[in-house]
Formats: sequence, C-alpha cells, structure tokens
Amino acid sequence: NAGVMQNPRHLVRRRGQEARLRCSPMKGHSHVYWYRQLPEEGLKFMVYLQKENIIDESGMPKERFSAEFPKEGPSILRIQQVVRGDSAAYFCASSPQTASHSGNTIYFGEGSWLTVV
Amino acid sequence: KNEVEQSPQNLTAQEGEFITINCSYSVGISALHWLQQHPGGGIVSLFMLSSGKKKHGRLIATINIQEKHSSLHITASHPRDSAVYICAVSSNYKLTFGKGTLLTVNP
Repeated sequence: NAGVMQNPRHLVRRRGQEARLRCSPMKGHSHVYWYRQLPEEGLKFMVYLQKENIIDESGMPKERFSAEFPKEGPSILRIQQVVRGDSAAYFCASSPQTASHSGNTIYFGEGSWLTVV
Repeated sequence: KNEVEQSPQNLTAQEGEFITINCSYSVGISALHWLQQHPGGGIVSLFMLSSGKKKHGRLIATINIQEKHSSLHITASHPRDSAVYICAVSSNYKLTFGKGTLLTVNP
C-alpha cells in the first residue's frame, strides 16, 4: 500500500486558516476515496472521486470542505477556515478501474494528521 | 446501533495466546475487509472476504454471510501484533467501518 502517497503527513493550522491535503493514488488507479478518522471514533467515508469527477460527496460536510481530482496531479482535499473540530486523521485510498471494493484489495495511504490550534 | 459492530473494544493478551476479534454487521454487503492500524500509523489491508475463510501466516479470517458475522484470529500472538484491528464492510464503492479493536500483546 506504499503506492498511495499522501502529504503532508502532519499539518498544523491555526483556526481560520486553510488546509490542503494531497493524495496520489497507486499507479494505474483512477478512483480515489477520502476518509476521516476523528479522535476516539471510527473511519468515516467522505468523498469518492474519479479523474475530474466527484462521484459521491455525501460524507463530506456541506461547508468549508471540497475535494478535487484533476486530470493531472494528485487529488486534493481542501478545508477552508479550519476549526478545532476538523482535527483528525484524513486517509486516502485508491482502487483500479472498477468502483467496487468488493473484488479489490483496499490500498490506503499513510494518512495526513491535521491539528488545528 | 452502528451498522458494523466489533468486539471486544480492547483486548490484552500474553505473547503466544490465541486471539479472536469479532465483527457483526447489519447491512447487505459485497465484501468484508479486515484492516490493521498501528498507533499514529497508516492502515494496512489484511483480508478481503466475501465467503468462507482465508489464512495468511498466523492470521485467519472467516465470514458467515447468513449470520452476518466475521472473525479474525491470530495464532501464537506476538507483541508486534499490537495494533488496532478494524472491520469494514463494502457495498459497491462505499466502506462502512467498525470502531476498531485495540489489541495489546504483552511479552
């Protein structure tokens, strides 16, 4: 799973600043998923993207959060005007051409730990 | 009630013991995944199951689709097995996760 690259690994932001988290999927993977792990809670689905398309963003807060996966470059999860409650680990996963996890092993990145002070 | 329930939440064992972690789910799934996460670390996929049983080294995972239940077993546990073990179920592309089981194996 080392093929899914996330950066930065750790990010500290003051309240009101913007946080940008990047994810480069494994080679050959065109589907990217973002998950959030809040302290003392389980992982939660945020958004599912294919190249240049958001397929499902039902798990993402309606305000301040956005995600993109451009034709070139990594997927970006952007959090504007961060608040303390955004402090969490954000994990990216990728899968190959099919959207289903049922036939594919999940490949996760190492995560990005956001701390809002 | 969560869609994916794991038990126990915390588990402490002595090195060499046989470990079992359980996962029950209440939704229709296409597959079930067992994941491992070390503190402050990334997530590693251990197994993906849609039926029956899989074995990898000292790890064994089973699933009973009719009973909507899966177990992860670790034989001859070792301190390096200490981690959080997470059960996740997939329905097409969406994963739903249990809260994890924190396993501590003492030497």
